[in-house]
Amino acid sequence: RKEVEQDPGPFNVPEGATVAFNCTYSNSASQSFFWYRQDCRKEPKLLMSVYSSGNEDGRFTAQLNRASQYISLLIRDSKLSDSATYLCVVRGEFGTGTSLTVIP
Amino acid sequence: DTEVTQTPKHLVMGMTNKKSLKCEQHMGHRAMYWYKQKAKKPPELMFVYSYEKLSINESVPSRFSPECPNSSLLNLHLHALQPEDSALYLCASSQVPGGFLRNTEAFFGQGTRLTVV
Repeated sequence: RKEVEQDPGPFNVPEGATVAFNCTYSNSASQSFFWYRQDCRKEPKLLMSVYSSGNEDGRFTAQLNRASQYISLLIRDSKLSDSATYLCVVRGEFGTGTSLTVIP
Repeated sequence: DTEVTQTPKHLVMGMTNKKSLKCEQHMGHRAMYWYKQKAKKPPELMFVYSYEKLSINESVPSRFSPECPNSSLLNLHLHALQPEDSALYLCASSQVPGGFLRNTEAFFGQGTRLTVV
């Protein structure tokens, strides 16, 4: 059984929309949480780490809920350039990835 | 631009060939990783090297043989592969040994797109 589960989507949203992705994990001892972005036929690139207290980087907000064992990524004011696959990573294991397409 | 460099970018090999994938990083990272990614699937961990020693082998078939000649280089030797081994092979590194599995981000190379015919 996979330790990391993620809704694969796809999510199709208009420009300017707010979109949220969730990722659940099964190992309560996990300490390492990241969100990566992967464009088509490219390598995964680190988007942001996820800290216990939650963290924000511009239009992106990441949160960790240890009690319910999930992490989330919120993207505000979506841009066309945000279109990509977003992958959560827990203890080096990737979730299935969520495909996002931002529509003009 | 990634600071993890992988060569070649593309490789086509027959099932009887022997080939090697190469990965190099000059960030002083002490952990390096091989991941395999099939189309429309997430990357899957294959091997972890910490301080140039193999620390994790995720039950990878022996036709894949990793090697870490020094702290900057990581190779993946391929022999007698099957068509189902065709995939994108990603190398990554992290500052702390095994850190990507604990609490440190990893940086990925652009990958080698392998086709086995």
